Amino acid sequence: QKEVEQNSGPLSVPEGAIASLNCTYSDRGSQSFFWYRQYSGKSPELIMFIYSNGDKEDGRFTAQLNKASQYVSLLIRDSQPSDSATYLCAARGYNFNKFYFGSGTKLNVKP
Amino acid sequence: EAGVVQSPRYKIIEKKQPVAFWCNPISGHNTLYWYLQNLGQGPELLIRYENEEAVDDSQLPKDRFSAERLKGVDSTLKIQPAELGDSAVYLCASSLRGSSGANVLTFGAGSRLTVL
Repeated sequence: QKEVEQNSGPLSVPEGAIASLNCTYSDRGSQSFFWYRQYSGKSPELIMFIYSNGDKEDGRFTAQLNKASQYVSLLIRDSQPSDSATYLCAARGYNFNKFYFGSGTKLNVKP
Repeated sequence: EAGVVQSPRYKIIEKKQPVAFWCNPISGHNTLYWYLQNLGQGPELLIRYENEEAVDDSQLPKDRFSAERLKGVDSTLKIQPAELGDSAVYLCASSLRGSSGANVLTFGAGSRLTVL
């Protein structure tokens, strides 16, 4: 079992819709959770992180964390074609400098 | 502030040849990571340094891979000899050690290796 699991997709949504990306993790000791966006041929770039239960909003992005269910999600409101990319979920373990990545979910936003 | 710098961006070699990748982390970041990313997969940790010390190299294939981080700043990852299955993107990342939830990982542009 991988530390972080994601559905590989692709997830297709129409422009303007809400895209919902999900991730589960196995280590209950994980402290923080991160969403990275990776365009084809580029390196991952941080979108946002969350470490408290509940929601965290940043512009069109909302990260949600449920530690009891070991579940993290990313909502993208008003999806744009430029949001089309692979989204990587990562968990930082009890050792503050160890990060585990999921295999990513490919998102396609259709005009 | 300059980001994580990697070179070369692209490298094509024949199998059994050696190859080396270089990384310069963000200034002040004491933790440096080398990740391997295969197509369609997430990054997988090869080695993690805290300052000069390799604190996690359990996933590094030590028969052919080696790494060093002299003076706790720049790092080099070497493969010798390269095999066809080593074709991948090698990502360097850095972070600032601390207990803060804001301890995030910043990636370089990556080095894409093709072994023929």
